[in-house]
Amino acid sequence: RKEVEQDPGPFNVPEGATVAFNCTYSNSASQSFFWYRQDCRKEPKLLMSVYSSGNEDGRFTAQLNRASQYISLLIRDSKLSDSATYLCVSKGGARKLIWGLGTSLAVNP
Amino acid sequence: NAGVTQTPKFRVLKTGQSMTLLCAQDMNHEYMYWYRQDPGMGLRLIHYSVGEGTTAKGEVPDGYNVSRLKKQNFLLGLESAAPSQTSVYFCASSWSGGGDEQYFGPGTRLTVT
Repeated sequence: RKEVEQDPGPFNVPEGATVAFNCTYSNSASQSFFWYRQDCRKEPKLLMSVYSSGNEDGRFTAQLNRASQYISLLIRDSKLSDSATYLCVSKGGARKLIWGLGTSLAVNP
Repeated sequence: NAGVTQTPKFRVLKTGQSMTLLCAQDMNHEYMYWYRQDPGMGLRLIHYSVGEGTTAKGEVPDGYNVSRLKKQNFLLGLESAAPSQTSVYFCASSWSGGGDEQYFGPGTRLTVT
């Protein structure tokens, strides 16, 4: 089993839709989690960190469920510009990030 | 403030040739990383550095060497390129390894024929 698993998608949604991605992790000792966004043929960029209490940044909400060992990303009112691959990341140990393979999102007009 | 830059952006090598990829950051970050990204494999850490003059192996270090002679630069060398090293290479940097955001360069697309 991969340490960080994501549904690769693609998720095809219309503009304005709400979409959610889940990501499961296997290391119960993982302390930190992140969502990165990667546009086609571009570098990954941090979208948001995931805190135990959950956090929200505009249309984006991230949640952590330690009991079930998953994190989620909710995107409300999807925009065309949200089309990208979303990478789930956990901090696997000192100086090491464990990267998921990504979930592809396509927002259609 | 350019962030993280990588040179070259594209390169085609023949099997057995060598090359060096250069990464530079102007954010005074202590930590620097080299990743490769392949379809179906995700981002995999090749080598990393926790400060000037230090290097350490990551998940897939074989066939690569690195050097961090200056804090702002992190070099990745391929001594004898193989087709299996065809990939997109990303450099990244961060303040520390403790979960700080990693800032990535734009990537180098390498093809080994």
